[in-house]
Amino acid sequence: DTEVTQTPKHLVMGMTNKKSLKCEQHMGHRAMYWYKQKAKKPPELMFVYSYEKLSINESVPSRFSPECPNSSLLNLHLHALQPEDSALYLCASSHYTEAFFGQGTRLTVV
Amino acid sequence: GIQVEQSPPDLILQEGANSTLRCNFSDSVNNLQWFHQNPWGQLINLFYIPSGTKQNGRLSATTVATERYSLLYISSSQTTDSGVYFCAVSSSNTGKLIFGQGTTLQVKP
Repeated sequence: DTEVTQTPKHLVMGMTNKKSLKCEQHMGHRAMYWYKQKAKKPPELMFVYSYEKLSINESVPSRFSPECPNSSLLNLHLHALQPEDSALYLCASSHYTEAFFGQGTRLTVV
Repeated sequence: GIQVEQSPPDLILQEGANSTLRCNFSDSVNNLQWFHQNPWGQLINLFYIPSGTKQNGRLSATTVATERYSLLYISSSQTTDSGVYFCAVSSSNTGKLIFGQGTTLQVKP
């Protein structure tokens, strides 16, 4: 099984809302990632978790707050987002070699 | 940081034609992957190929690590091959991927 599952698939939120994106994998991978992809652009890394600890934060604004409750789960908590944060958010996992991506959450901030 | 360049940026083919997509990278890598992104945004793994040659059906890929490039070959293209093809590399032990800008492929019936 090489599946990474993300929920929800679509999310519309207001600028004062708080919401969370969820990601789950059961491949035993010890690294998990959040990427952000704007329209017609490649994915860009936001965060890396390694063995459930945050190892890379690519200078992401604090309105994005990642969390790794256990080795299979990765969350991204969203608060006070701006319309320019509207994008496709992709979760991935790997064991530091081949990475596998979820189907993404398409986020619209209104 | 490492730079990844893909060419061509756009490609239009007739169904049944063959094509070659190229990925150049600026430094040594320990991971190179090719992905196909479908219209719904899903990144589908095509190849994990830090070096050597692999084939999977109508697709094949070659990475020449010493010369810092990789090629993706699509033979007998079909309309379902349409989409964006990304090359992504990693040069660290974190597995962090750096993506090229992608090649947008349109296959016409």
